Amino acid sequence: GAVVSQHPSRVICKSGTSVKIECRSLDFQATTMFWYRQFPKQSLMLMATSNEGSKATYEQGVEKDKFLINHASLTLSTLTVTSAHPEDSSFYICSARGAGGDQETQYFGPGTRLLVL
Amino acid sequence: GNSVTQMEGPVTLSEEAFLTINCTYTATGYPSLFWYVQYPGEGLQLLLKATKADDKGSNKGFEATYRKETTSFHLEKGSVQVSDSAVYFCALTNTGNQFYFGTGTSLTVIP
Repeated sequence: GAVVSQHPSRVICKSGTSVKIECRSLDFQATTMFWYRQFPKQSLMLMATSNEGSKATYEQGVEKDKFLINHASLTLSTLTVTSAHPEDSSFYICSARGAGGDQETQYFGPGTRLLVL
Repeated sequence: GNSVTQMEGPVTLSEEAFLTINCTYTATGYPSLFWYVQYPGEGLQLLLKATKADDKGSNKGFEATYRKETTSFHLEKGSVQVSDSAVYFCALTNTGNQFYFGTGTSLTVIP
């Protein structure tokens, strides 16, 4: 149980284009989903927290107009990197927290590697 | 504030060696503590957790004990395998929202 998927797993795009990454909880309802960014050989940095049906809360320094987050249902959140640039190349990981008894454990997706040329 | 410090790697061990990865934390209140493992090219997988002082989390031969007096949550395994090669992250949360991760420790196990 508690499986989180991400799609796509890898994406290469040209500078200036937008890229959408999907995060799905496959076997549980996720009231809250989180988006992280991970640079090579570094830890995860929380970008934003999204609750189903409401606006995402962004961490300091994260541009909300550049990283659009939509959490339209209890099983799906999307991250859109708008007008991507090479510096946006990174590993993006989502996680989800269930609606059940364990309100602390986050279950992570496999990540999406974005390369902007 | 909240933070996690873990030993820097990389760590290289021979198969069947004993593993310890140190993790210490600072936190307000009474956090829950976690170890996550990341295999190459993949996301993080929950390895084990502990929610209160003196709790021991264990999974797949790994274990860690929540030590409030030393603010530590060291990861141990008695006999590592090649398949344990990965990056290990120590983390804490107070609320379930904000997770604070350590910088990760890369482990390589050689046959």
